[in-house]
Amino acid sequence: KQEVTQIPAALSVPEGENLVLNCSFTDSAIYNLQWFRQDPGKGLTSLLLIQSSQREQTSGRLNASLDKSSGRSTLYIAASQPGDSATYLCAVKRSNNAGNMLTFGGGTRLMVKP
Amino acid sequence: SQTIHQWPATLVQPVGSPLSLECTVEGTSNPNLYWYRQAAGRGLQLLFYSVGIGQISSEVPQNLSASRPQDRQFILSSKKLLLSDSGFYLCACHGLAGRYFDDTQYFGPGTRLTVL
Repeated sequence: KQEVTQIPAALSVPEGENLVLNCSFTDSAIYNLQWFRQDPGKGLTSLLLIQSSQREQTSGRLNASLDKSSGRSTLYIAASQPGDSATYLCAVKRSNNAGNMLTFGGGTRLMVKP
Repeated sequence: SQTIHQWPATLVQPVGSPLSLECTVEGTSNPNLYWYRQAAGRGLQLLFYSVGIGQISSEVPQNLSASRPQDRQFILSSKKLLLSDSGFYLCACHGLAGRYFDDTQYFGPGTRLTVL
């Protein structure tokens, strides 16, 4: 059974810092990995999707990497801003998954202080 | 991109009352649809998924049921709510973007359910 873990569970940094969020998964037979952002009381917004054949994806100040063999992904946020404060979740999609279901980590709650 | 609508946004219901939450999807056809629950301080739990009209798979045994009467409509129901059904319910979809399958999973805004 696939298990996804995110460390740390919570993180507080001053504005302007570069930071790294970690995601690990136990079964390397994944189809892709997705990073989401969730603001309090809101739904999830997809940030980046990395296919299993890719090593990284970039969008603006965000960069996500994937090391499938070691079961790890990182989300790098450059020059953090107070507007980046949210919970960040990673999720993996299993290979040969007819339902395209995702397994989610518990999330990292990020606070960026002005 | 795919857009998901959920209603109501918030709901307060007494224990033992029925429940109906609705989710509709725009911008795709023949999507895979999902219901998740997010309890306070806990992660996302997949409740049901559907790969087509009338096709429902349940991930965990529970007091809830789901139905898909139309291609882009997904309904979560209960005949009698329990206190433990309180939580934040999210609908998600996965489907075609034009001619190609979009691997991104899109989420609705959620329904906050409080059972008293």
